[in-house]
Amino acid sequence: DAKTTQPNSMESNEEEPVHLPCNHSTISGTDYIHWYRQLPSQGPEYVIHGLTSNVNNRMASLAIAEDRKSSTLILHRATLRDAAVYYCICSYGQNFVFGPGTRLSVLP
Amino acid sequence: EAGVTQFPSHSVIEKGQTVTLRCDPISGHDNLYWYRRVMGKEIKFLLHFVKESKQDESGMPNNRFLAERTGGTYSTLKVQPAELEDSGVYFCASSQEKPPTYNEQFFGPGTRLTVL
Repeated sequence: DAKTTQPNSMESNEEEPVHLPCNHSTISGTDYIHWYRQLPSQGPEYVIHGLTSNVNNRMASLAIAEDRKSSTLILHRATLRDAAVYYCICSYGQNFVFGPGTRLSVLP
Repeated sequence: EAGVTQFPSHSVIEKGQTVTLRCDPISGHDNLYWYRRVMGKEIKFLLHFVKESKQDESGMPNNRFLAERTGGTYSTLKVQPAELEDSGVYFCASSQEKPPTYNEQFFGPGTRLTVL
């Protein structure tokens, strides 16, 4: 599994877009890019995943660089409920290697 | 549909005692995973079941930890004897299939284990 690098923390204002970056320069061709988040006192929850192309779902968008060495999770309108730790994980298998993630604070 | 459930939510035991954690995956999910976060560290993979078989147990820290999944349904993780460094939050997750079919993992709320 590729090592990922994320900022330790980020801050956003409510109802503004948030771009959470992730670097994964050693990603292999078969590794998926997964994003999970962990709200306080809960287990991690799935946000989005991708392989090569940009992806959209009802929670977020995932923009993947052409060389796949980086990606960005986009929350289009942050809400207070989006305050969480966001984890970017690169793996083919599902035995995830979690890094420290990015702690997102959302200000009202 | 019920999510992944874990029992107990909290457990406080003394060093040297035995504790058994239980995980009930989402019905029909063949894959079951155990992870844990010890104090101040990142979430670490412990092991992976496919049905009742251990697919990968490379993350199990030592032989004080025993995981079982009899019948391929719920799983238990026993710690015997517990040590202080075992304190942390133990997460269970389940998913339907293996790669290349992509399946998201559904995590339970975790069991917080405190060893005194």
